[in-house]
This record gives sequence, C-alpha cells and structure tokens, in this order.
Amino acid sequence: KQEVTQIPAALSVPEGENLVLNCSFTDSAIYNLQWFRQDPGKGLTSLLLIQSSQREQTSGRLNASLDKSSGRSTLYIAASQPGDSATYLCAVKGQGGSEKLVFGKGTKLTVNP
Amino acid sequence: EAQVTQNPRYLITVTGKKLTVTCSQNMNHEYMSWYRQDPGLGLRQIYYSMNVEVTDKGDVPEGYKVSRKEKRNFPLILESPSPNQTSLYFCASSAGGLNTGELFFGEGSRLTVL
Repeated sequence: KQEVTQIPAALSVPEGENLVLNCSFTDSAIYNLQWFRQDPGKGLTSLLLIQSSQREQTSGRLNASLDKSSGRSTLYIAASQPGDSATYLCAVKGQGGSEKLVFGKGTKLTVNP
Repeated sequence: EAQVTQNPRYLITVTGKKLTVTCSQNMNHEYMSWYRQDPGLGLRQIYYSMNVEVTDKGDVPEGYKVSRKEKRNFPLILESPSPNQTSLYFCASSAGGLNTGELFFGEGSRLTVL
C-alpha cells in the first residue's frame, strides 16, 4: 500500500530565504506526482504536476523535482515571501487503472516578514 | 470563472439524519472525486467518478453514497450520518482523469455530526 510522507510537518523561515519541502513515497510505481497548496479554511490549489517520465517542473519561483527510483520529490521555493505561507501537500497517483490519489499530510510553511 | 462549488459550506446535524452535500463544476470535467480531511490523517479519497454513471470507491467509502447523473454534478450522500463522519469534505474535478489533468478543488464543506 502506497504511503506518502512529508517532513517536516512545519517549517518557519525568514522572508527572502530559498527553501525546500520534501515528499517521499514507498512505492516507486507511480504515474505522476502533484504538489498542492492549501490556505487556512480553503480548498487545495494545484501548483505543479510531474509525470513519472519527467525529472522536474517549474512555475515562477517554484520548482518541483522527482526521483522516482528513490521515491522522493522536492518542492523548491525561491526568494520566499509572506504570501507563500500555507500548507503544502504532495499526492501521488499509482500506475494501472486506478484513479486514486494518495496524499501526504503536508508541511505547514510560515514565512516571517 | 472556472470553479467547483460545494454546498453547504458548514453544516451541523444529528446522528441518523440523512444529508446530501452537493458539488457542481462548470469546466465540463469528466473526472470528479470526494475527499475527507481529518487532523493527523490527511486527505483520504471517498469516491470518484470517471464520467456520467461511472463511479468507484476510494479508500474510505463506508457510510457514503454518490451518484453521477449529470456531468457537472456529483453529490455526496450520507444516509445515516454518525459522529465519526464529522470532517472537512472536499470535492474536486479534473479534465480527463488524473493521468494528465490538474485537480481543481472546491472550498470545502465542514460537517459536524452530533
């Protein structure tokens, strides 16, 4: 059974710092991996989707990498801002016909002005 | 504006009183799904639907029903709610399923069962 882990559970950094969020998964037979952002009291917003054949995806100050063989993904945030404060979740879709996503429990990021 | 709309956003009910949480999307997406989010357990999938009249169980389907009679709507039905169904519920949709599609979420429905 696929398990997705995100460490640390919470992270606090000063504004302007570059930071990395980690996501690991136990079964490397994934189809893709998606990173989400969740603001308090809100739904999730998709940030980046990486297919299993890809190594990384970039959007603005965000860069997500995927190392399927080692079961790891990282989300790099450059020049962090207070507006980046949120909970970041990763989710993996397994191979085969199943249309299920398995989510990590998230990393709560606080960027201090 | 492209969106997934859930109603109600907040609901307090009592054990055994049937309720329905509605979900509607205006993006003509084939794929829709329901999740529940609980502290310490994260997001878990309840049911999903690949298209009209096609539904399948997620990881925690017990105590829930769904239907997909129209492409835009995917209601979540709790026939006899129990306190362990107190949770934050999210509906999501995607064009063409999870293989290629970004997942769009609703704002969430916070349900309390007394």
